[in-house]
Amino acid sequence: GNSVTQMEGPVTLSEEAFLTINCTYTATGYPSLFWYVQYPGEGLQLLLKATKADDKGSNKGFEATYRKETTSFHLEKGSVQVSDSAVYFCALSGNTGNQFYFGTGTSLTVIP
Amino acid sequence: NAGVTQTPKFRVLKTGQSMTLLCAQDMNHEYMYWYRQDPGMGLRLIHYSVGEGTTAKGEVPDGYNVSRLKKQNFLLGLESAAPSQTSVYFCASSYTSTTGEKLFFGSGTQLSVL
Repeated sequence: GNSVTQMEGPVTLSEEAFLTINCTYTATGYPSLFWYVQYPGEGLQLLLKATKADDKGSNKGFEATYRKETTSFHLEKGSVQVSDSAVYFCALSGNTGNQFYFGTGTSLTVIP
Repeated sequence: NAGVTQTPKFRVLKTGQSMTLLCAQDMNHEYMYWYRQDPGMGLRLIHYSVGEGTTAKGEVPDGYNVSRLKKQNFLLGLESAAPSQTSVYFCASSYTSTTGEKLFFGSGTQLSVL
């Protein structure tokens, strides 16, 4: 079956530090992979996505590369800001796109 | 732009009471979903709909019912609330079912069942 495993949080970083949030997946076929972000009191919103192997998704300084050989989609940012404090969810959608599978979320706090 | 709107935002129920959560989207999306978010569990799919008049069970459907009488609305009902249904509920929608299509989320309903 399909599933997503992401690193446990919470994660606390100082401003301008490097961020990595690990995400691995199990899937049949060729899923699409996503990172969603949830700011306090809000719903989830798409941060970036990749739809095939070796694709790199990027947005707002965040990047993630679809690695089929390691079944991973790790989220990275070179220099985090206080405004990046949020919960980050890794997700996949299967061949029938209306089935999404989410990781448990990783809470990130960036301190000045 | 309204996007996906959920009502109410907060609700407290007593065990055994019933309620309906309303989700409305103004993007003409075919697909709509109800998720619940619990600490350490991520988002889990309750029910979903692939078009007006259709519904289907997700991962955790027990204790919930849904209806999609109009394309823009997706209702989630709890007939007899239980404390285990204390959670944050999110509605989402998408335009197609093509893999890679993103979800648009509402801002959530925080439900407490005492």
